[in-house]
Amino acid sequence: SQQGEEDPQALSIQEGENATMNCSYKTSINNLQWYRQNSGRGLVHLILIRSNEREKHSGRLRVTLDTSKKSSSLLITASRAADTASYFCATEEGANSKLTFGKGITLSVRP
Amino acid sequence: EAGVAQSPRYKIIEKRQSVAFWCNPISGHATLYWYQQILGQGPKLLIQFQNNGVVDDSQLPKDRFSAERLKGVDSTLKIQPAKLEDSAVYLCASSLGSLEYLLTDTQYFGPGTRLTVL
Repeated sequence: SQQGEEDPQALSIQEGENATMNCSYKTSINNLQWYRQNSGRGLVHLILIRSNEREKHSGRLRVTLDTSKKSSSLLITASRAADTASYFCATEEGANSKLTFGKGITLSVRP
Repeated sequence: EAGVAQSPRYKIIEKRQSVAFWCNPISGHATLYWYQQILGQGPKLLIQFQNNGVVDDSQLPKDRFSAERLKGVDSTLKIQPAKLEDSAVYLCASSLGSLEYLLTDTQYFGPGTRLTVL
């Protein structure tokens, strides 16, 4: 079963614009992570936010977490064509740190 | 630092045949994961090893899939016999898996093996 559900399923923006992606989940989590996957390649870890954190930054990335609403958002500022990829949220839960991925968001950044 | 290595990168087989995938995790990583990613979906965990012991294999179709991690380093995932619905990318990932990084352990993924079952 997939816990995280991303929204929207696809997003197309112009280079330089900001991209906002959302993720909702259903159960208690240890942390929430965002990954990027370029076409035909493996996943790259972008950022991790713990369940007791509300906001985190890393370069052009900003992630928020609202545990009361069981939702997270990923903001990519000043997007670049190289940001074109699929983005997945993944929730980590349980003592074994099991990671459950959503279906992903396809982001296209037009030059 | 070398990343997670997987081979082969691509494999095409006919249904009912057998196939095996190999994974070499990042040196020193105690935890190893195998995921199945069907086209258009997110990765689904098949099996998780901590050193050479299985931590979670609840989503592994054990009638046809098997995995082992001898000596707690390399791992192989086997499908026997393959079905059409096994067509997917099989991803291997590893993480430190130590108590020091409990609740914040990052998984590092390999490039995956794309399996096509005809």
